[in-house]
Amino acid sequence: DFQMTQSPSSLSASVGDRVTITCRASQTIIMYLNWYRQKPGKAPELLIYAASSLQSGVPSRFSGSGSGIDFTLTISSLQPEDFATYYCQQTYGTPWTFGQGTKVEIK
Amino acid sequence: QVQLQEPGPRLLKPSQTLSLTCTVSGDSISSTTYYWSWIRQSAGKGLDWIGRIYASGDTNYNPSLQSRLTISLDTSKNQFSLRLTSVTAADTAVYYCARENYLRAYHIDSWGQGTLVTVSS
Repeated sequence: DFQMTQSPSSLSASVGDRVTITCRASQTIIMYLNWYRQKPGKAPELLIYAASSLQSGVPSRFSGSGSGIDFTLTISSLQPEDFATYYCQQTYGTPWTFGQGTKVEIK
Repeated sequence: QVQLQEPGPRLLKPSQTLSLTCTVSGDSISSTTYYWSWIRQSAGKGLDWIGRIYASGDTNYNPSLQSRLTISLDTSKNQFSLRLTSVTAADTAVYYCARENYLRAYHIDSWGQGTLVTVSS
């Protein structure tokens, strides 16, 4: 299986801050990397697919980059609804696998 | 807009069989555009991909569950189902049904609300 490692596991930030979350794969996954946001008690929601493509309806403050084994999710200006947990997911090889999550908390 | 509806919470005893059905509206599970998937999340833990099924009936399963798992389609009811045998406490989780799209990469673009499955003696 492809192991996905996110860092940091948690972070504290303020509204308006620029936030960066990284995801590293155990081997190359080319660009088959997705990002999700999960609010407490809710299902995850897709933010970015194929490493850098913004899902329809998702605010432009979210962006993704990277290829190979290292990927990044950036939130340019953190909003109140962004305090949540973020997951990366590889879809290069089944079984699809997720990172362990990054919890973004209010400073 | 597609909606995926799961049943209410389930309480099972160890060794029983878990059966969950996801009802899809706003899209046809016979569509060749999508896969239909199951994902689960243990309390306070991350996400685990269980498996998926295509309109043709072709399936992909997580090897960790494959010996106990069946995912099937009912096109007449626009539903797909999960069956997991011989459950244990380790199968306690919120189970999500979801739609998997392919555009540049496979990705899950729609999720059900999740259903809590508890396995306890």
